Amino acid sequence: DGGITQSPKYLFRKEGQNVTLSCEQNLNHDAMYWYRQDPGQGLRLIYYSQIVNDFQKGDIAEGYSVSREKKESFPLTVTSAQKNPTAFYLCASSRFSAGANVLTFGAGSRLTVL
Amino acid sequence: QKEVEQDPGPLSVPEGAIVSLNCTYSNSAFQYFMWYRQYSRKGPELLMYTYSSGNKEDGRFTAQVDKSSKYISLFIRDSQPSDSATYLCAMDRLAAGNQFYFGTGTSLTVIP
Repeated sequence: DGGITQSPKYLFRKEGQNVTLSCEQNLNHDAMYWYRQDPGQGLRLIYYSQIVNDFQKGDIAEGYSVSREKKESFPLTVTSAQKNPTAFYLCASSRFSAGANVLTFGAGSRLTVL
Repeated sequence: QKEVEQDPGPLSVPEGAIVSLNCTYSNSAFQYFMWYRQYSRKGPELLMYTYSSGNKEDGRFTAQVDKSSKYISLFIRDSQPSDSATYLCAMDRLAAGNQFYFGTGTSLTVIP
């Protein structure tokens, strides 16, 4: 079955450490996204990428970095510069087509900073 | 003003009730309208999407878009305890950048 795989599902980090969240999709979607979800704040866009080797900052990119070396993969690194990294992180992808433009989400990764 | 407004609830209804969930938006350029269901500690799953104005029905779910009022709705008929979740509305302009705009979600509990 096609879908988006995020790993790990749960991650604990000490302050000052960088961590990388994995996101892989086998939907052959062009565009991929990282969102952060906090209670009462909805989904906030961190980074998105429409094609390989290209990505753009979203609304809250500070303290995060991404890469897009393959169409299927869009890993997110939460750096030590991110002031409040404890959150639920969602990866998504979409078809880059005018026929239908909807987001498909992964199951999420919950990061807790100790 | 947020681009998309959604009442966070919580909303609590008895089993079998008709549920109405709503979002308003300010950007008249939005063309695609989506509803997602998110269970606790899970990723959102797409329920329905509609293009432009009108109604779309899928089983117990009906999505309605009124572009003149900038208002979208999701109706759930014969609600079940398994419908208890947070419902997110989302919209897209289909413009360059391919960005989506989300409501904050409405928490729904269906009581058996």
